[in-house]
Amino acid sequence: LVLTQSPGTLSLSPGERATLSCRASQSVASNYLAWYQHKPGQAPRLLIYAASTRATGIPDRFSGSGSGTDFTLTISSLAPEDFVVYYCQQYGNSPQTFGQGTKLEIK
Amino acid sequence: EVQLVESGGGLVQPGRSLRLSCAASGFTFDNYAMNWVRQAPGKGLEWVSSISWNSGALGYADSAKGRFIISRDNAKNSLYLQMNSLRPEDTALYYCAKDVGATTPWYFDLWGRGTLVTVSS
Repeated sequence: LVLTQSPGTLSLSPGERATLSCRASQSVASNYLAWYQHKPGQAPRLLIYAASTRATGIPDRFSGSGSGTDFTLTISSLAPEDFVVYYCQQYGNSPQTFGQGTKLEIK
Repeated sequence: EVQLVESGGGLVQPGRSLRLSCAASGFTFDNYAMNWVRQAPGKGLEWVSSISWNSGALGYADSAKGRFIISRDNAKNSLYLQMNSLRPEDTALYYCAKDVGATTPWYFDLWGRGTLVTVSS
């Protein structure tokens, strides 16, 4: 199962809304899709699991939605620390797979 | 403190072996499956291997099958990855990642900072 994230790079300004897409080549079983945030040189951080459930301690400006083959991560109002790379991962179909990532950069 | 710390990376020649380690602390290690995930330079994340809480179930990506061996020592709160017959395309930052479940790979709620493996002559 291949996950395709778009866009590859998203240029926005702090305070704006970001919409990141993750499309699967076939339906993700039980909508078992997670999102991670990855800052260079740091450990990746779990943001969302089961498509729309925020992980512990994640600010409510992060939200996930979608089902089947189309999923979205939305950041409602970008903070300066949000300009990093985001990955989706599906764990409903074996083997679990990651998307190639979306880089969020400051415009 | 809840953390994972990888070690064992380095520069190795093609065809040689390397053993990575991951030390876990701050949680009940033997309750959870564990995973190795890698990131090649300029690329995204790639799951490499997983091991269930009791080592009863092992999983490997096609790229690792037959060359890599995952193991764990619950008494030492440690995870390992024995990498044999290394290839230049194995060059990557290797992350240790804690699963939320005990068996089949799910999603990962704790990651280390990674250890760099470079395969080059």
